[in-house]
Amino acid sequence: KQEVTQIPAALSVPEGENLVLNCSFTDSAIYNLQWFRQDPGKGLTSLLLIQSSQREQTSGRLNASLDKSSGRSTLYIAASQPGDSATYLCAVKDFGNEKLTFGTGTRLTIIP
Amino acid sequence: NAGVTQTPKFQVLKTGQSMTLQCAQDMNHEYMSWYRQDPGMGLRLIHYSVGAGITDQGEVPNGYNVSRSTTEDFPLRLLSAAPSQTSVYFCASMPGQAIGPQHFGDGTRLSIL
Repeated sequence: KQEVTQIPAALSVPEGENLVLNCSFTDSAIYNLQWFRQDPGKGLTSLLLIQSSQREQTSGRLNASLDKSSGRSTLYIAASQPGDSATYLCAVKDFGNEKLTFGTGTRLTIIP
Repeated sequence: NAGVTQTPKFQVLKTGQSMTLQCAQDMNHEYMSWYRQDPGMGLRLIHYSVGAGITDQGEVPNGYNVSRSTTEDFPLRLLSAAPSQTSVYFCASMPGQAIGPQHFGDGTRLSIL
């Protein structure tokens, strides 16, 4: 059974710093991995989707990497801003399985 | 640019009552799904559909029913509400064959007294 872990559960950093969020998964036979952002009281917004054949994806200040062999993904946020404060969730889709398995998220606070 | 629309946004029920959570998407996505989000447990899949007329159970289907009569709509029915079903419910959709990201609605916050 796939399990997804995100550590730490919460992170506070000063504005302007670069930061890395971590996601680990137990079964490396994944179809893709997705990073989401969730603001309080809101739904999930997809940030980046990495297919199993890819090593990384970039969008603006965000860069997500995938290392299937070690069961890890990282989300790199450059030059953090207060507007980046949110909970960040990663989710994996396994082959032959329609569901996404979610981590419990990292709550990020950017301090002005 | 509606995307995935869920109604209602908030609901309070008494134990034993039934209700339907509505979900509609305007992106012509084949896949639709329902998740519940509980503190410390992440999102868990309740039911999903790979196309009109086709539904299947997810990880936590007990106490819930779904149907998919059209591509656009995927309602979730609580048959007899229980306090354990107090949660935030999210509907999601994505293109067929999982070729794109999942799109989520803003959620329905449900309390069962």
